Amino acid sequence: EAQVTQNPRYLITVTGKKLTVTCSQNMNHEYMSWYRQDPGLGLRQIYYSMNVEVTDKGDVPEGYKVSRKEKRNFPLILESPSPNQTSLYFCASSGGTDSSLYTQYFGPGTRLTVL
Amino acid sequence: DAKTTQPNSMESNEEEPVHLPCNHSTISGTDYIHWYRQLPSQGPEYVIHGLTSNVNNRMASLAIAEDRKSSTLILHRATLRDAAVYYCILRDKGRGGSNYKLTFGKGTLLTVNP
Repeated sequence: EAQVTQNPRYLITVTGKKLTVTCSQNMNHEYMSWYRQDPGLGLRQIYYSMNVEVTDKGDVPEGYKVSRKEKRNFPLILESPSPNQTSLYFCASSGGTDSSLYTQYFGPGTRLTVL
Repeated sequence: DAKTTQPNSMESNEEEPVHLPCNHSTISGTDYIHWYRQLPSQGPEYVIHGLTSNVNNRMASLAIAEDRKSSTLILHRATLRDAAVYYCILRDKGRGGSNYKLTFGKGTLLTVNP
């Protein structure tokens, strides 16, 4: 089954404790992206990756890092989490022809709480 | 970025058709119109997309106005499982056209009554 998986699904942590949210897709997609969703602000893009070793900032990259060492994986790293990073995070991927590149598959989400 | 305007909420009865409107008067000639939906406690899910012609798939139909300044997502027979927030999105060309970012607005909250 084609899917995007994220782990963990729920995480409660404390300020300053480094954490990584993993994202993996099994569709051989070139493009992957991270979004965060906050009430009243909708989904906003954090980082994206066009392919292995190619990453770039989205709209709200501050406080986050990413890496793309393998095509299937795109982890989101919070080196020193702060309470304003409490949010619902979604990973997405897409690939293929021009129009279908905008057809993104989203993961189930990771709800992060930073105390 | 070209913007879209959708009603905040709509209500429907189960097994009746639902027409979800979207206005996008500043759409450019090469912008695709995408629809996604987000069910409660889930990630967004692709529904349908089109450029100029009306489109049908197993989930829905997309009717695009001749001038492309508006479109309508049609659910032919709403079910309780269709209750979700529906987003109408125009392709965001991003920086140099290399970022396939989807710019989500607030969408339309569809309530389906049994």
